[in-house]
Amino acid sequence: SAVISQKPSRDICQRGTSLTIQCQVDSQVTMMFWYRQQPGQSLTLIATANQGSEATYESGFVIDKFPISRPNLTFSTLTVSNMSPEDSSIYLCSVEVGPRVGDTQYFGPGTRLTVL
Amino acid sequence: QKEVEQDPGPLSVPEGAIVSLNCTYSNSAFQYFMWYRQYSRKGPELLMYTYSSGNKEDGRFTAQVDKSSKYISLFIRDSQPSDSATYLCATYAGGTSYGKLTFGQGTILTVHP
Repeated sequence: SAVISQKPSRDICQRGTSLTIQCQVDSQVTMMFWYRQQPGQSLTLIATANQGSEATYESGFVIDKFPISRPNLTFSTLTVSNMSPEDSSIYLCSVEVGPRVGDTQYFGPGTRLTVL
Repeated sequence: QKEVEQDPGPLSVPEGAIVSLNCTYSNSAFQYFMWYRQYSRKGPELLMYTYSSGNKEDGRFTAQVDKSSKYISLFIRDSQPSDSATYLCATYAGGTSYGKLTFGQGTILTVHP
């Protein structure tokens, strides 16, 4: 299993500012994922973050808006840049642990972001 | 059309009822099927995992996958108030889609005493 923590747990930010969300895992993992969960919506994958390489972004998400760092095998950050109210959402990181894909993907508790 | 469709509910049932949660999907490449439970203000936690078609049972929970009709179901027997949460179905194609889960919208379930 994996225990994942995120900081901050919630924040209220002003339009035009940026927020960096941290994700810490208690074990080394190859791949980490960042998701967005907008109010009343399901989870949407933003990007996949591998240690030592550039993050891979899904359609509709760009590096300038959501830069990601992955400095080691237990840590990643997601920055939400130049925020607007439409960025108000829950941001979750997840990791996959174990040899079999899909069955062991663990999620962090999420960061609840409100942009005014 | 969304790749995974799920009735958002909300669904309200009395304690002890059998609950049926369902999803449909459109991409025949999906091979792995999961159900997550998400309590309020928490991250999703994995409940059930199924590969390809078939049934899987774990305690009061049974997951069914019918790939011929692209239909995913989760049954909860003897539902309890502690089962009140949002239930999310998720699928994954495998191969080069490593780790990329596609989620349904989630069904909000309330089990009242």
